[in-house]
Amino acid sequence: SQKIEQNSEALNIQEGKTATLTCNYTNYSPAYLQWYRQDPGRGPVFLLLIRENEKEKRKERLKVTFDTTLKQSLFHITASQPADSATYLCALNNAGNMLTFGGGTRLMVKP
Amino acid sequence: KAGVTQTPRYLIKTRGQQVTLSCSPISGHRSVSWYQQTPGQGLQFLFEYFSETQRNKGNFPGRFSGRQFSNSRSEMNVSTLELGDSALYLCASSNTGQEHSPLHFGNGTRLTVT
Repeated sequence: SQKIEQNSEALNIQEGKTATLTCNYTNYSPAYLQWYRQDPGRGPVFLLLIRENEKEKRKERLKVTFDTTLKQSLFHITASQPADSATYLCALNNAGNMLTFGGGTRLMVKP
Repeated sequence: KAGVTQTPRYLIKTRGQQVTLSCSPISGHRSVSWYQQTPGQGLQFLFEYFSETQRNKGNFPGRFSGRQFSNSRSEMNVSTLELGDSALYLCASSNTGQEHSPLHFGNGTRLTVT
């Protein structure tokens, strides 16, 4: 069956360090993968999209990699700040705008 | 530009009742999707509407239904509520309806069924 797995345990890091979050999937052949950020009590906010033919995408302090052989995406936040503390979700497309989301990883950046 | 607006923000209903949730997408967005979010199951796709037509449907029972109006506003309805329907219901819109379009989410309606 199709599965998207993100580390369900919270990731705690020190301010200024690089946070790396993992998204693994099985039985998918996604054309693209998206990352979202969700704060408590709010809806997810789109961060980055990476297509299957792209290895890496960057936006300011964010970097996403996509390895279709390993069936894995890595999401990096460099020079992390306490304001980066949130839950980060990866999502894969099925059809149309039908996205399947991973369970999310909670990131805590300590000052 | 105003974001996606969902009303009401909070709702408490009793088992067996029915409920209607409303979503106003970003102006110009024609695709509206609905998701259910629970601590145990995470975000699960309910359905997607594009130009008033249901384009995709998730694996939810027929008690869950939706519709989209000509102005792209959307409603979803849940009939014969069960305790397990307690969740955060999120609506998302996108501007072209194409597969690569990012979703813009509202802040959800928190439904509690007692």
